[in-house]
Amino acid sequence: QSVLTQPPSASGTPGQGVTISCSGSSSNIGSNPVNWYQQFPGTAPKLLIYSNNGRPSGVPDRFSGSKSGTSASLAISGLQSEDEADFYCAAWDERLSGLVFGGGTKLTVL
Amino acid sequence: EVQLVESGGGLVKPGESLRLSCADSGSTFSSYNMNWVRQTPGKGLEWVSCISSGSAYIYYADSVKGRFTVSRDDGKNSLYLQMNNLRDEDTAVYYCARGGDFKTQIRDNWLDPWGQGTLVTVSS
Repeated sequence: QSVLTQPPSASGTPGQGVTISCSGSSSNIGSNPVNWYQQFPGTAPKLLIYSNNGRPSGVPDRFSGSKSGTSASLAISGLQSEDEADFYCAAWDERLSGLVFGGGTKLTVL
Repeated sequence: EVQLVESGGGLVKPGESLRLSCADSGSTFSSYNMNWVRQTPGKGLEWVSCISSGSAYIYYADSVKGRFTVSRDDGKNSLYLQMNNLRDEDTAVYYCARGGDFKTQIRDNWLDPWGQGTLVTVSS
C-alpha cells in the first residue's frame, strides 16, 4: 500500500487530454513539493515534472503539473502514442522522514 | 552530461550480504545529495535511502533500517549501499539517483538523473 494514492491506470485516444491524480496527506504533499517521474518498460524512471509544476529541459509543454492542498495532478494534453508509460508521483514525508512514491499509473494510448 | 552507473547486484541467499556501488561520471558528485530507490519486478518504486552532500544527513526507509547502510566516497565519485541480512522481499532492481545540491533542503529535492539499475535477487 503506497503512501501516495494514484489510479492504477489511465487511458485516452491520440490528441485527447488525460489527468492523473496523486492524493496524499498533510505530512507529504501538504507540506512539500511534488515531483513526477515517467518510466518506459525496461528503462529507468526519468524526471518529468519537478517542484509541482516545473518542466525539465526537453519535456514537452504538453505535460503540466499542479498541486492543491494534499493532492497533485499531472495533465497531459494532445496525447501521443509515445506517451504510453508508467507515471509516478513522489514527495518527501515529514512524519516518515523519507521520500514516498505513489503506486504508479499506467497510461495507455488507445 | 552526468551519468550514473550501478554495479554489485546479483543472486544471494536470505541472510547474506551484498554491497552496491554507483559511479558518477560527472565532476560535481560531492555537491549533491544522493538516493537509492528500488523497484520490485513488475511493481512500483520504493525509496530506500538518502545521503546528503557531506554525509551530514542520512535517511532510510523503515523497511531497511538497521540492515542497510548508505555511504559515499567523494574522492571516487561513488555512492554505496551495504545490504546485510537480506530478505526475499529485498529482491528488486536498485537505482541510484541524484538529488539536489548542497544548497537545497532534502525535502525539496527531485531525483535526476537516475542510473540504469542493478538487479538484486534474494532466494534460497
